[in-house]
Amino acid sequence: DQQVKQNSPSLSVQEGRISILNCDYTNSMFDYFLWYKKYPAEGPTFLISISSIKDKNEDGRFTVFLNKSAKHLSLHIVPSQPGDSAVYFCAAREETNFGNEKLTFGTGTRLTIIP
Amino acid sequence: SAVISQKPSRDICQRGTSLTIQCQVDSQVTMMFWYRQQPGQSLTLIATANQGSEATYESGFVIDKFPISRPNLTFSTLTVSNMSPEDSSIYLCSVEDWETNSYNEQFFGPGTRLTVL
Repeated sequence: DQQVKQNSPSLSVQEGRISILNCDYTNSMFDYFLWYKKYPAEGPTFLISISSIKDKNEDGRFTVFLNKSAKHLSLHIVPSQPGDSAVYFCAAREETNFGNEKLTFGTGTRLTIIP
Repeated sequence: SAVISQKPSRDICQRGTSLTIQCQVDSQVTMMFWYRQQPGQSLTLIATANQGSEATYESGFVIDKFPISRPNLTFSTLTVSNMSPEDSSIYLCSVEDWETNSYNEQFFGPGTRLTVL
């Protein structure tokens, strides 16, 4: 049961244009959503996050939008740059029965920025 | 943010053997996590390791197969026991420090790429 889904395995965008990466989730108990970026042979790097009580968070070229009623979030990158080429993971956080916090990750979207 | 290192960075192991992966953080952290990323798959949480208590394992993962140690606030190990080819994955540790981070994010190490023959 995939609770966090990224339905686009890959995306190609022209340099300078907007990149939009999408993520859907099914668990209403998720209280925080995060986006990570991953280069080959490296661990994921945190990009931006949003609380479930908000609908938008912006940090420089990165904006995350949350539509709680649709259980959907998206990451906008504008303008896209060649260095943005990487795999992007959406993650959702919940508190477990043990009082710990758990991140559930999507399967990732490979973003390629075309010069 | 915390700087995390893992050893080894990669290894090729024989079926039936065990491998211990080390995770070292440059600062004291409250929570450490171990993840697995199988080929073409997402990251899956194996267990949460808090200092001074037993690790908490997620469904599908057991202590006999993945024993974890957390002797202090900067170090943890994950052992992959009695390995089979299905254990071939990237194993990552991550940390979360409630006292310093404001975004509730986890910081990840570079990962250990394990291949089991």
